[in-house]
Amino acid sequence: GAGVSQSPSNKVTEKGKDVELRCDPISGHTALYWYRQRLGQGLEFLIYFQGNSAPDKSGLPSDRFSAERTGESVSTLTIQRTQQEDSAVYLCASSLNPAEKLFFGSGTQLSVL
Amino acid sequence: AQSVAQPEDQVNVAEGNPLTVKCTYSVSGNPYLFWYVQYPNRGLQFLLKYITGDNLVKGSYGFEAEFNKSQTSFHLKKPSALVSDSALYFCAVRDSSASKIIFGSGTRLSIRP
Repeated sequence: GAGVSQSPSNKVTEKGKDVELRCDPISGHTALYWYRQRLGQGLEFLIYFQGNSAPDKSGLPSDRFSAERTGESVSTLTIQRTQQEDSAVYLCASSLNPAEKLFFGSGTQLSVL
Repeated sequence: AQSVAQPEDQVNVAEGNPLTVKCTYSVSGNPYLFWYVQYPNRGLQFLLKYITGDNLVKGSYGFEAEFNKSQTSFHLKKPSALVSDSALYFCAVRDSSASKIIFGSGTRLSIRP
């Protein structure tokens, strides 16, 4: 595709429910990143994929968070048993390789009620 | 461990004046340094990067940044600010021996007419 695509753009859920966030990177980009941005704050690193492997998942806040990537393409970030503090914009970015610039998606705004 | 700091939450500059947005970093290997900009209701966009070579890097929209190894800094600069430069600016760093790219907390740049 022309750019990084994320879906849904907005997600409202109830506390305790599971959610899945999707990222479609630019075709051919081997590196893929997930970040979280709370309102008015900076980007918090969550996880990095090189191909389908995740060499660095040190930023995942708890075992409620998991992510996978398949076909060196689509990635899914899953949050189980959502909590109110999970409310944030979740951003996905991809690049040709880790030394190159990141292309960001528009993000998924997650609201946990 | 790698880290990046943006010491100013907000920078205010009059249109036409030079601007500087500060960034310092800490890595164990060689740094890959980036600046990104986030305009209201728009995604993050790449401005410029330093990997190796000349310490002065030129980027989009007339911005430039100077890599200073001894001071571990990578300040963003522009000789003459425009009102349209008003946005949120993020410095990012990747350690050459690591995988993830981490972001600073962001600096809000406000240019007054």
